[in-house]
Amino acid sequence: KQEVTQIPAALSVPEGENLVLNCSFTDSAIYNLQWFRQDPGKGLTSLLLIQSSQREQTSGRLNASLDKSSGRSTLYIAASQPGDSATYLCAVDNYGQNFVFGPGTRLSVLP
Amino acid sequence: KAGVTQTPRYLIKTRGQQVTLSCSPISGHRSVSWYQQTPGQGLQFLFEYFSETQRNKGNFPGRFSGRQFSNSRSEMNVSTLELGDSALYLCASSLDPANTEAFFGQGTRLTVV
Repeated sequence: KQEVTQIPAALSVPEGENLVLNCSFTDSAIYNLQWFRQDPGKGLTSLLLIQSSQREQTSGRLNASLDKSSGRSTLYIAASQPGDSATYLCAVDNYGQNFVFGPGTRLSVLP
Repeated sequence: KAGVTQTPRYLIKTRGQQVTLSCSPISGHRSVSWYQQTPGQGLQFLFEYFSETQRNKGNFPGRFSGRQFSNSRSEMNVSTLELGDSALYLCASSLDPANTEAFFGQGTRLTVV
């Protein structure tokens, strides 16, 4: 059974810092991995999709990497801004069956 | 391009009642999945539909059911509501079930009293 964990559970940083969010999964047989952000009481916003054959994806200040063999993904946020404050969720797609989500990392970027 | 639309946004129901939630996927997307989000359990998979067929179902009781129409719109139904069914219900759409990016709606907040 696929299990996904995220470290740290919460993070508070001053504006402008670069930061790394970590995601680990137990079963490396995945189709893809997707990072989302969720603002309080809202739905999920897709940030980056990494397919199983890819090692990383970049979008603006965001960079996500995937190491299937070790069961890890990292989300790197450069030059953080207060608007980046949200919960970041990692989701693993098991052979197109369904997403298994991590518990999330709650990020606060202080002005 | 319109995103995923979920209606209604908020619902308050009484224990024992039943409820129907609706999800309209992005135009052209044929796969729709439903998830339940609670503070204690996080996001949990309910079921997935593709071309009007249920492909997968999560570990939820039979009170939870769903369907998909020919225009890819989907509904989920919860019968005999319990207090523990209070949650944010999220719908995701994608082009097809495999290896494609998923987009989520804003969710329906269900409160059972």
